[in-house]
Amino acid sequence: AQRVTQPEKLLSVFKGAPVELKCNYSYSGSPELFWYVQYSRQRLQLLLRHISRESIKGFTADLNKGETSFHLKKPFAQEEDSAMYYCALRAGYIPTFGRGTSLIVHP
Amino acid sequence: DGGITQSPKYLFRKEGQNVTLSCEQNLNHDAMYWYRQDPGQGLRLIYYSQIVNDFQKGDIAEGYSVSREKKESFPLTVTSAQKNPTAFYLCAGLSANTGELFFGEGSRLTVL
Repeated sequence: AQRVTQPEKLLSVFKGAPVELKCNYSYSGSPELFWYVQYSRQRLQLLLRHISRESIKGFTADLNKGETSFHLKKPFAQEEDSAMYYCALRAGYIPTFGRGTSLIVHP
Repeated sequence: DGGITQSPKYLFRKEGQNVTLSCEQNLNHDAMYWYRQDPGQGLRLIYYSQIVNDFQKGDIAEGYSVSREKKESFPLTVTSAQKNPTAFYLCAGLSANTGELFFGEGSRLTVL
């Protein structure tokens, strides 16, 4: 069975500090991994997916199959990055989500 | 405008009553999903449908039912058998091309 683990419920940083939101997964096949973000009063939306290898809003995430991780990183956090972040794994038709990490960026 | 539309946004129900949450889409997605979002528990899958007239139970299907009579519509019924129904419910459609989920704005159900 697939599983996604986000070990931090809450991450609190100051503006300009680096940020890393951790995500580990367990899945026997080749996973498709995603990061979704939910800003206050907005709907949950895709931030990035590992297959496209792009940087969105300064965030990047690298799939490390050896460590089964897909950590989300940003070198300099901004206040507008404050949101709830979910890591997700898709196997076939079933996307599985982690419990989410709330990121708070203080001015 | 369009995408995934959920209604109502807020709903109050007395114990013992069934309630149906609406989810409509105009994105031509074959696969649709219902998740329940609780603080600290992330998104948990209730039901999903890969195609019209077919649906499967997710991880927490007990006390819920769905139907998929049309491609555009995937309503969720929260029955009186659901022991802890107060929650935020999210509907989503899956893009077959990109694997991306498109979410509705959610429906918040409160049982009084």
